[in-house]
Amino acid sequence: GDSVTQMEGPVTLSEEAFLTINCTYTATGYPSLFWYVQYPGEGLQLLLKATKADDKGSNKGFEATYRKETTSFHLEKGSVQVSDSAVYFCALSNAGGTSYGKLTFGQGTILTVHP
Amino acid sequence: DADVTQTPRNRITKTGKRIMLECSQTKGHDRMYWYRQDPGLGLRLIYYSFDVKDINKGEISDGYSVSRQAQAKFSLSLESAIPNQTALYFCATSDPGQGGSQETQYFGPGTRLLVL
Repeated sequence: GDSVTQMEGPVTLSEEAFLTINCTYTATGYPSLFWYVQYPGEGLQLLLKATKADDKGSNKGFEATYRKETTSFHLEKGSVQVSDSAVYFCALSNAGGTSYGKLTFGQGTILTVHP
Repeated sequence: DADVTQTPRNRITKTGKRIMLECSQTKGHDRMYWYRQDPGLGLRLIYYSFDVKDINKGEISDGYSVSRQAQAKFSLSLESAIPNQTALYFCATSDPGQGGSQETQYFGPGTRLLVL
């Protein structure tokens, strides 16, 4: 079945540092890939997505590129802020068969940014 | 007002009790989902509903049941709560009009459940 693996956390950075959170996936067919973010005390919200190979999703200074050859969708930001402290989830959605419309999540990565 | 609301936000109950978690949405979406979140495990799908007459089990449905009372309402029940059902529960909605696997899911704020 489909699966998503994220880098182990937690990740602690100083403000203005570069961020990478690794995400790799296993899926049949051509899934769509997502990054969701969960701020403290809140539900998840979509950060960015990419629906086909080589697409780049971007939002709020975050970027991720859909790499089919390496089955990866790594999240990057050039300069993090304290307000980026949250839990980040990589996820995929596959249109094939019984997976249609359902999200498969990675385990989440806790990011803490210090001033 | 929030598009996806969950009640209660926090609940403490005892082993063996029946409890219901409720979800309402004003987004007009046909599809609704229930997930549970456990530390280090991400979110796992409990049940999902693609319209009022369509209910499907997710990967961890044992010990849970659901009711889709209307397009806007989707309730999750624990018939006889046990301690390992202690978790954070999220409701979500999506719109199939976005096409195929591309649809974004919109999450409620969550219900934190503690089973003693």
